[in-house]
Amino acid sequence: NAGVMQNPRHLVRRRGQEARLRCSPMKGHSHVYWYRQLPEEGLKFMVYLQKENIIDESGMPKERFSAEFPKEGPSILRIQQVVRGDSAAYFCASSPIRTGEGNEQFFGPGTRLTVL
Amino acid sequence: SQQGEEDPQALSIQEGENATMNCSYKTSINNLQWYRQNSGRGLVHLILIRSNEREKHSGRLRVTLDTSKKSSSLLITASRAADTASYFCATTGNTGKLIFGQGTTLQVKP
Repeated sequence: NAGVMQNPRHLVRRRGQEARLRCSPMKGHSHVYWYRQLPEEGLKFMVYLQKENIIDESGMPKERFSAEFPKEGPSILRIQQVVRGDSAAYFCASSPIRTGEGNEQFFGPGTRLTVL
Repeated sequence: SQQGEEDPQALSIQEGENATMNCSYKTSINNLQWYRQNSGRGLVHLILIRSNEREKHSGRLRVTLDTSKKSSSLLITASRAADTASYFCATTGNTGKLIFGQGTTLQVKP
């Protein structure tokens, strides 16, 4: 069973361009969480999706950021008109059920976004 | 913010020594989890302790939880160079999102 896959692993964009980050959860997992990690900091929650639905987007900036998890295919985190402050590592995690009483999240290797 | 502080921020020890990291949080919890992150990699789940548990062991790991003080500690015994990594505690917010501390960077010198 392959783990959580993210691509690309590294992404370089110039200011004003769009960044698309992909996440394929583990097989059988329908819950996907996106986190952002700035240099020397811990991970900050961005958005939680379940197939075709956004459950919690309380950590996602209101502008320029969007996320989707279609019925078929990977989850996509999209950042429009990137700025230097968007440079960070973006991690995706999945779980078979909603994280709650006693289950862990499985993390992907992350996408490192650099905005020039 | 639901999450508090982790201390120390950085810890450097010799191989064979024990390493203790602490984590505090602010609100009531159902469980608390510890994750490890090797440099440049994703996170790996280490151990989960429920709110009605006080101590839990997994191999060389020992986690304690004091809900009255809203704090937890992670002890790694007989450390190895391969334990060098960042360690994060996380609580589970509503909707299941993980809320992480700032982490402790552990360096184990051979």
